[in-house]
Amino acid sequence: GAVVSQHPSRVICKSGTSVKIECRSLDFQATTMFWYRQFPKQSLMLMATSNEGSKATYEQGVEKDKFLINHASLTLSTLTVTSAHPEDSSFYICSVWAGGPYEQYFGPGTRLTVT
Amino acid sequence: AQSVTQLGSHVSVSEGALVLLRCNYSSSVPPYLFWYVQYPNQGLQLLLKYTTGATLVKGINGFEAEFKKSETSFHLTKPSAHMSDAAEYFCAVSAAAGGTSYGKLTFGQGTILTVHP
Repeated sequence: GAVVSQHPSRVICKSGTSVKIECRSLDFQATTMFWYRQFPKQSLMLMATSNEGSKATYEQGVEKDKFLINHASLTLSTLTVTSAHPEDSSFYICSVWAGGPYEQYFGPGTRLTVT
Repeated sequence: AQSVTQLGSHVSVSEGALVLLRCNYSSSVPPYLFWYVQYPNQGLQLLLKYTTGATLVKGINGFEAEFKKSETSFHLTKPSAHMSDAAEYFCAVSAAAGGTSYGKLTFGQGTILTVHP
């Protein structure tokens, strides 16, 4: 399966600042990537679908101006959390998808803590 | 619209005992079904999936699941639990056809499996 990396694995930032999270597909050209958020002891919630070369599509209730997604190449998607607040503290996980019946391959996740 | 319900947020078994994790789904179109495992502070690893064909699917580490359309279920089983199976397990569904939900995974709440010596 595809190998997916995320950077950083952990980040602590101050309230009001922005933080960028990278998701890389190391051995697979991904036209579609997904971003999820997982709060402690909860399931994964889809935030947005990232399509290479086009605008991301966001799930209902996710602020597109707060969570900026850029999918500039077939191997890299970035999620920028702008003006972060403590309630944005969460585990952010990306995945890549080949389409059709293929499974999604997940990155190792990024733990964001906003102080 | 899709949804997944995992019965039991915590399941505890003894080493060597049968593992049964329950998953029921709802989907307005034919589903693809998945089981993923997550270890603490890590991403998700695919255990197995059902797309088409044989309804009994075998996955890694001795796990298997059976797709039962009439019961809208996709329960995960393993005949004999191992200590290394302790983790959180997520059942997920995606739409097998086009539309706004195509490719998107909807996850269940997760089941934490504890294995006792």
